[in-house]
Amino acid sequence: QKEVEQNSGPLSVPEGAIASLNCTYSDRGSQSFFWYRQYSGKSPELIMFIYSNGDKEDGRFTAQLNKASQYVSLLIRDSQPSDSATYLCAVNAGIYNQGGKLIFGQGTELSVKP
Amino acid sequence: GAVVSQHPSWVICKSGTSVKIECRSLDFQATTMFWYRQFPKQSLMLMATSNEGSKATYEQGVEKDKFLINHASLTLSTLTVTSAHPEDSSFYICSASLTTLVYLEQEQFFGPGTRLTVL
Repeated sequence: QKEVEQNSGPLSVPEGAIASLNCTYSDRGSQSFFWYRQYSGKSPELIMFIYSNGDKEDGRFTAQLNKASQYVSLLIRDSQPSDSATYLCAVNAGIYNQGGKLIFGQGTELSVKP
Repeated sequence: GAVVSQHPSWVICKSGTSVKIECRSLDFQATTMFWYRQFPKQSLMLMATSNEGSKATYEQGVEKDKFLINHASLTLSTLTVTSAHPEDSSFYICSASLTTLVYLEQEQFFGPGTRLTVL
């Protein structure tokens, strides 16, 4: 069983719609969760992180965390073609966080159609 | 702040040669750096965790003698791919965590990556 799972997609949404990206994790000891965006041929860049249950908003992005269900999601409102990328969910490696080690999911490819 | 650089950005080499990739934290000290490999259409695969002044911790299945990691200072880690072969062709990315942050917020800052092609 994979430790961090994401739907590989591709997820296709029309411009202006809400894109919903989902991630589940297996280690209940995980405490912080990160969403990265990776454009083709580039390295990942952080969108946001969350470690408290509930929602966290930053501009058009909202991260949602439900530790009881071991589920974290990312919503992108008013999706733009420039949001087309692969979105990586990452989970910290454990309680002692091994120097910042993260475990990454396989990524969800998002395509926003004009 | 928290900028990580990598050099070179791309390299082409002949089979059997060794290639060194440098990863530098430009505006912060990185006690811990990470090395990843990514094949086309696949996710990041963590190769090893590099700790300043000590031996790297390799992930299962990663050959220590083939992928040599040195973290000699708080701002520099190097990955050397020894006796490279075509199957080592990949996108190599380093990252560093800002451990001065509260640990729950210790995001990783990624370098721009190095594309290695072995002929």
